[in-house]
This record gives sequence, structure tokens and C-alpha cells, in this order.
Amino acid sequence: EVVLTQSPGTLSLSPGDRATLSCRASQSVDSNYLAWFQHKPGQAPRLLIYGASNTATAFPDRFSGSGSGTDFTLTISRLEPEDFAVYYCHHYGSSPQIPFGQGTRLEIK
Amino acid sequence: EVQLVESGGGVVWPGGSLRLACAASGLSFEDYGMSWVRQAPGKGLEWVSGINWSGSRVGYADSVKGRFTVSRDNAKNFLYLHMNSLRVEDAALYYCVRGYDDYWPLDKWGQGTLVTVSS
Repeated sequence: EVVLTQSPGTLSLSPGDRATLSCRASQSVDSNYLAWFQHKPGQAPRLLIYGASNTATAFPDRFSGSGSGTDFTLTISRLEPEDFAVYYCHHYGSSPQIPFGQGTRLEIK
Repeated sequence: EVQLVESGGGVVWPGGSLRLACAASGLSFEDYGMSWVRQAPGKGLEWVSGINWSGSRVGYADSVKGRFTVSRDNAKNFLYLHMNSLRVEDAALYYCVRGYDDYWPLDKWGQGTLVTVSS
């Protein structure tokens, strides 16, 4: 079973900063099936990135994903106040189990 | 518009049982695998269980294997999660989500139903 480890656990930045979030897999995974989610309190999680680098239409182009093999990155080029949330990576191609990473909390510095 | 509406949550004693349901609309339900994902208070997202489009393939997180059973009724557009031998650590908000075993991302989420396990 693939284990996804995210770092850092918490990232403290200011609006306008660039955010770089990491997701490392315990074994090489097909990047076609690596996703990122944004989760805000009181809301359902939202699919942000799929296929490692495809941004969902609901999100602006300041969000981007990259990576392959075991190392994946979510980058937010210039943080807006509404971007502060918890972000999860997820590998969805490896049934029977499709686990999430433990999450990175992006908080306002 | 895709809508996933969960129901069946509530308060249950440790060792008790509960059945969650998810009513799906706005999609060809029989074309998609479906999953249950939960979030315990103060914790991250945990994928719990999934079922492919036909029900022929299912999967469970190790934490619930042998206690939870996922099923679906494609004629009624419903997804279910039967939860037995509930533990305090099963208390969480349970989400119904589109996607499993079909290389489809978990792209549509319900608003969740809350399960509380307490004596």
C-alpha cells in the first residue's frame, strides 16, 4: 500500500507570498493519478489538482502542481487570503486502498 | 448538477451499528465508482471504503476492515455504508464521494453526515 507523507505539517506565510507544499510517496506512483484537495472549515473538500498537474476549473492559475515518481509539489504563486486552508494529496489509482496524505495546514503568518 | 446527499448519521454506543446512505443525483450513477471518506474531529481526511461501478470490487481502510461493509443500489442511485462494532475512534464526519477503482479523481463530495460514538 502506498503511504503519502506531506511536508511541512504547517506552513505560515503572508498574503502575496509563494507557497510550496510537498507530498512524498513511499513508492513510485503513476502521476496520472495524483491529486490535491483544498479543505476549509465547515466545507466539503474540493478537488484542486488531478493528474499531478491539471488544475480544476474552479481554481485560478496561481495554483499549480508538478512532480513524478515519488515526489510531488503543490505551488501557490501568490497567496490570497482565501487560499489559507488545509491541503491534502491523494493517490487515486491504486485500489483496493486509496489513502490521503496527512495534510498541510497553510496559515496566515 | 451532481448532488450527493448523505444521511443516517447519529449518536451510537460503542459496539453499536449504524447504516449511512448517500443519495446521488445529476450523474449516471452506475458509471462511477464511489467512496466514503471521513474526518474525525481535529484530524485529517481518511479514505474509508470504496466500491466500483458494479459492486464487484470493494476496498476498505485497515482501520475499518471486517467491521464496515460498503454496498450500492444502482437502480435507486444509492450508496451505503454499514458500520458494525463501532468504536470511539470511528466518530467523524462521513463524506460520500464520487470516484473509486476507475482512475477517476474524487471530484464530487457531499456535505457529510456526522457519526458520534459515545457512552
